Amino acid sequence: DTEVTQTPKHLVMGMTNKKSLKCEQHMGHRAMYWYKQKAKKPPELMFVYSYEKLSINESVPSRFSPECPNSSLLNLHLHALQPEDSALYLCASSPRGRGSLREQYFGPGTRLTVT
Amino acid sequence: AQKVTQAQTEISVVEKEDVTLDCVYETRDTTYYLFWYKQPPSGELVFLIRRNSFDEQNEISGRYSWNFQKSTSSFNFTITASQVVDSAVYFCALSEFSNFGNEKLTFGTGTRLTIIP
Repeated sequence: DTEVTQTPKHLVMGMTNKKSLKCEQHMGHRAMYWYKQKAKKPPELMFVYSYEKLSINESVPSRFSPECPNSSLLNLHLHALQPEDSALYLCASSPRGRGSLREQYFGPGTRLTVT
Repeated sequence: AQKVTQAQTEISVVEKEDVTLDCVYETRDTTYYLFWYKQPPSGELVFLIRRNSFDEQNEISGRYSWNFQKSTSSFNFTITASQVVDSAVYFCALSEFSNFGNEKLTFGTGTRLTIIP
């Protein structure tokens, strides 16, 4: 079952709000990712977790705070966002290790609007 | 630095026609992976195929086929007998080899394919 779930599907928040995006996978993958995708653009990598540890942070502003509570869950905490942060936020996971399949499996995304 | 170029921004074809989506990549790595993803209007990126740099065999899966040529750094994708459900944005992507298993994907800018009924 190659499924990554994300909640909520849609989120509207004000610039002073605090909210969280959630991502879950049950494929036993040990690498998980957050991407941001603006309209008509490719996804941009934000964070990578490997074995529940942050391994890549693509110089993302601190108003985005990732968290990996366990191997199946990935959160993205949002605080004091700007309207330009409005985008589709995609979560992905992939197996880890040499010789294993390396494709990333994506969730359906959370469409975020910051007002 | 890695780079993926999808020169075709938008393509429209009539249903049942064949269509080829082009992908050209640049990398200094000798070991790398290439991918195609489909993104329908719903937004989810759907994995279609993975190919590593040592495997130049072309692949066919139903109406889909892929032509990987290292000599021209291309990894083109052909849909035969296109259907309306094929309408989507298609991304070609490249990842460098990593011992950590968490490679960064470099995406092309995508090709928006519209199949006209």
